[in-house]
Amino acid sequence: AQSVTQLGSHVSVSEGALVLLRCNYSSSVPPYLFWYVQYPNQGLQLLLKYTSAATLVKGINGFEAEFKKSETSFHLTKPSAHMSDAAEYFCAVSAPTGFQKLVFGTGTRLLVSP
Amino acid sequence: GAGVSQSPRYKVAKRGQDVALRCDPISGHVSLFWYQQALGQGPEFLTYFQNEAQLDKSGLPSDRFFAERPEGSVSTLKIQRTQQEDSAVYLCASRASGRGGQETQYFGPGTRLLVL
Repeated sequence: AQSVTQLGSHVSVSEGALVLLRCNYSSSVPPYLFWYVQYPNQGLQLLLKYTSAATLVKGINGFEAEFKKSETSFHLTKPSAHMSDAAEYFCAVSAPTGFQKLVFGTGTRLLVSP
Repeated sequence: GAGVSQSPRYKVAKRGQDVALRCDPISGHVSLFWYQQALGQGPEFLTYFQNEAQLDKSGLPSDRFFAERPEGSVSTLKIQRTQQEDSAVYLCASRASGRGGQETQYFGPGTRLLVL
């Protein structure tokens, strides 16, 4: 079985500051890991995914995440926050085989102040 | 259209009413998922279709929930005798193939259901 834990339901940063959103996973098999973003009243949009290739994954909008097996982590970072980054971010895990349903964390709301 | 669409976007139902939520996946996509997102929570898996076959319905919370995809394209999630705890956003996602490998699930905008 797979699960993810997102530490911090809310993260506040200033525009231009580093963004760090934390995700730890639990999986009985080597996982696939995902970060999705959700803007108000919209569906989920994929930011990036780890599928057992390079451990440092670059995504859209300047985001990246690093898979660290020893720490069972997949934290999301962005060097410089923009106001438009304010949204809800979800970390998700799936098994690499089967039909691969996604198991999501509870989400982290990113607030960006001017 | 280019993406996953869902209708209606908003639905208000009285407790005990039946509702039907529709999902139009990306054309040609084999896999279709339904997820339920309660307020302040992450989405939770409900059910999975590969073409018209429902291969997993382990996430459906009760026998009041029923999903179908009769022709392997459009899917409908039906909730009978709605209860207040059914209030949530219902998300549909599609993926190009049956065994996902490294493929992305594309999500629709969701249907927000409020049961009074």
